[in-house]
Amino acid sequence: EAGVAQSPRYKIIEKRQSVAFWCNPISGHATLYWYQQILGQGPKLLIQFQNNGVVDDSQLPKDRFSAERLKGVDSTLKIQPAKLEDSAVYLCASSLGQNNSPLHFGNGTRLTVT
Amino acid sequence: DAKTTQPPSMDCAEGRAANLPCNHSTISGNEYVYWYRQIHSQGPQYIIHGLKNNETNEMASLIITEDRKSSTLILPHATLRDTAVYYCIVRVVSGYALNFGKGTSLLVTP
Repeated sequence: EAGVAQSPRYKIIEKRQSVAFWCNPISGHATLYWYQQILGQGPKLLIQFQNNGVVDDSQLPKDRFSAERLKGVDSTLKIQPAKLEDSAVYLCASSLGQNNSPLHFGNGTRLTVT
Repeated sequence: DAKTTQPPSMDCAEGRAANLPCNHSTISGNEYVYWYRQIHSQGPQYIIHGLKNNETNEMASLIITEDRKSSTLILPHATLRDTAVYYCIVRVVSGYALNFGKGTSLLVTP
């Protein structure tokens, strides 16, 4: 089966600019997650969708980050305006959404804010 | 979710078994133990998970102690491609998201 697709693979922007990341989950996966991974740390959950509804966005900095999952398939994560501390790898994952179904991750987008 | 403790780094010789320990002394009865690994510049990859019994698949074996307070991930014949950060995660049975710690950086040497 095709894996989780993410684009772009790399992005460099200046602080205060905006940026968007795109994710296409595995076909049939109801649950989609966005994680942020700062260098040297484990991934941290930003937001979780079940179909096109938000399940958990408690760790999403809502003053600058937004995410949507229209039609319950693809998702975009946006940062506006970006700060230096947003430099990280942004990982998308999906799962069937049933109890204990494993998460499958994409290879992420590496964002550098200068 | 219960907290896990892993050594920050380990070495293993190629061809030997790699045994990665994880302590989860506060685990409760409705929590699974999951293992993921992350190879450099890639996303985390699912390895295995278990509740009470030992589990084995084509990638690894998971040994969970009888009191469930610790577990060991075993890579039976480590190769250079197994060099990665390995994450042990406790996940509520009815939960969805995974909460990652810092993991163990495993270096497999020739």
